[in-house]
Amino acid sequence: SYVLTQPPSVSVAPGQTARITCGGNNIGSKSVHWYQQKPGQAPVLVVYDDSDRPSGIPERFSGSNSGNTATLTISRVEAGDEADYYCQVWDSSSDHGVFGGGTKLTVL
Amino acid sequence: QVQLVQSGAEVKKPGASVKVSCKASGYTFTGYYMHWVRQAPGQGLEWMGRINPNSGGTNYAQKFQGRVTMTRDTSISTAYMELSRLRSDDTAVYYCARAPGWYDCWGQGTLVTVSS
Repeated sequence: SYVLTQPPSVSVAPGQTARITCGGNNIGSKSVHWYQQKPGQAPVLVVYDDSDRPSGIPERFSGSNSGNTATLTISRVEAGDEADYYCQVWDSSSDHGVFGGGTKLTVL
Repeated sequence: QVQLVQSGAEVKKPGASVKVSCKASGYTFTGYYMHWVRQAPGQGLEWMGRINPNSGGTNYAQKFQGRVTMTRDTSISTAYMELSRLRSDDTAVYYCARAPGWYDCWGQGTLVTVSS
């Protein structure tokens, strides 16, 4: 089965740039989606199809995907961005959804 | 607006079954797959399966094959997820999510607690 690997944690100071990676075999050939989850809340889509943003998501959130790594980039990080972030793909070979293990973003 | 409203929290004994509902509104129910995702306490998101509300066709994660059943009632725009032979490690929040390729709308989650 397809596996997505994320770092357990990323820390960044306010105003700096956070980069959260998602590794997978030839992930660049898949569409990657990213979700933000705050404690006690349902996940929220922040990036879809590698780099598109849903309406209402700040431009500070962006994504890229190439080779074996997809990246969620959060520019000018704010305290309110502190959350868990998950990457997700659809594995068409098995018709299964796959999530990364999640990354806890800490704003110092 | 698009909304998914799930049924309330459940407490079940080991070996029992639970059925969680997810009522959709604000869009054409049969136009989008509905997926189910669960999250154990302090853990990550885990994909369980999906249902095509139009045809009723399903795909389940191998881990849940034989224990999970996803159904829908198009007359009331509601999807269901039933999990049988519950174990303590099935204690989790269960989410439904609309999927136009990605999960753009999630239910509020249903806490299922399995305890003797």
